[in-house]
Amino acid sequence: EVQLLESGGDLVQPGGSLRLSCAASGFTFSSHDMSWVRQAPGKGPEWLSTITTTGFGTNYADSVQGRFTISRDNSKNAVYLQMNSLRAEDTALYYCARDRWLGPWGQGTLVTVSS
Amino acid sequence: DVVMTQSPLSLPVTLGQPASISCRSSQSLVHSDGNTYLHWFQQRPGQSPRRLIYRVSNRDSGVPDRFSGSGSGTDFTLTISRVEAEDVGVYYCMQGTHWPLTFGGGTKVEIK
Repeated sequence: EVQLLESGGDLVQPGGSLRLSCAASGFTFSSHDMSWVRQAPGKGPEWLSTITTTGFGTNYADSVQGRFTISRDNSKNAVYLQMNSLRAEDTALYYCARDRWLGPWGQGTLVTVSS
Repeated sequence: DVVMTQSPLSLPVTLGQPASISCRSSQSLVHSDGNTYLHWFQQRPGQSPRRLIYRVSNRDSGVPDRFSGSGSGTDFTLTISRVEAEDVGVYYCMQGTHWPLTFGGGTKVEIK
């Protein structure tokens, strides 16, 4: 069974940084692109970033380009999202999902940006 | 960016009756590889989104066959042949053909 478990969400002040992690199991991690998606309270999902199997290819939404960095460690079956210069509008539930086709999703980790 | 427009915003349905959700894209979703990367997601209350349909009409594993997807180019439809109580939630279409990936605004399905 595919499992994706996000962690690292927290309350952070505007301008701060946070690193999210996603631990994957139940599939051959190194054979799949991985993505991050967020959902602000009461809103629809917003795709943020996708990383290719090798980690050499990445894509970002304009809203996070230059502030967020996606990475992966195939030896640990994990994907990460480094978030810098956080803003109030980054407050959301952050999900990792398999592939750019967003197959299985995790349960999400909550990021709250507030002073 | 490709804009995905869903209708209706809200869909009250009677149990056992059919329901259809429309999704239109601002440009063709046919990829240069010939595939059309239009997917449908269901989000039940309090749960993570779950993909139901990928590439227009392919049901994900475990998805009941009362769910079906159709369409081409810029016009797509998700149909529930007979709505059940567990189908209550918000449904989103998403295009994976063009970067950035974009979602529709969602359609809330509720029981009358």
